[in-house]
Amino acid sequence: AQRVTQPEKLLSVFKGAPVELKCNYSYSGSPELFWYVQYSRQRLQLLLRHISRESIKGFTADLNKGETSFHLKKPFAQEEDSAMYYCALNTGTASKLTFGTGTRLQVTL
Amino acid sequence: DAGVTQSPTHLIKTRGQQVTLRCSPKSGHDTVSWYQQALGQGPQFIFQYYEEEERQRGNFPDRFSGHQFPNYSSELNVNALLLGDSALYLCASSPPSGADTQYFGPGTRLTVL
Repeated sequence: AQRVTQPEKLLSVFKGAPVELKCNYSYSGSPELFWYVQYSRQRLQLLLRHISRESIKGFTADLNKGETSFHLKKPFAQEEDSAMYYCALNTGTASKLTFGTGTRLQVTL
Repeated sequence: DAGVTQSPTHLIKTRGQQVTLRCSPKSGHDTVSWYQQALGQGPQFIFQYYEEEERQRGNFPDRFSGHQFPNYSSELNVNALLLGDSALYLCASSPPSGADTQYFGPGTRLTVL
C-alpha cells in the first residue's frame, strides 16, 4: 500500500536560514508527488509537483527514486513561508492523493 | 470565480444522526474528490466523482456515500454518525485536462457530540 511519511511535525528556522522539509514515500509503481501548503486561515493549495520541475516562491523539490524521497527545499527562509506543508502522492490515473501528516514550518526573526 | 465552495462552514451533530455536506467545484472542473482531515493528520481520500458516478473510493465504510449532480456539484452523506467522524471535510475539484491538479475548498468542520 502507498504511504507518505513526513517525520517532522514542526520545523523552526531563523529568517534567512536554509529550509528542508522531509518527505519519504512508499509505492511500488511510478509515483507522482506534490507539495501542498496551507497558510494561516487559508485553504490548502498546490505549491509544486515533481513532473513540472518548477520553482515556486523559491521552493524546489527533487524526486529521488532511489531514496524514495521528495524533500522540499528553500535556500533562504522568509517569514511569509510560515505555514503547514503537506507532501502528497498520486497513485492513480484519476488523482487519488495520499497525504503525509504535514510539517509546520515556523520562520522566526 | 470563487473557486471551490463548500457549505456549511461548521456543523454540530449528535451520534447516530445523518449529515449532508455540499460542494461546488471551480468553474470548468468536472471531477470532485472528498477528503477527511482529522485533527493533526493529513487529508484522507474518501471518494471521487466523475460523470455523476463514484470513480474511486478510499478505505471508508459504506456509511459514507456521495452524489454528483449534472452541474458537477457534489454532496457527501454520512449516516449513523460516530464521535470519530468529527473532522474537517475537504472537497477538491479538478479539470478535465489535468485530473492531478486538485483545487481545494475551505472545508466543512463537522463536530459529533
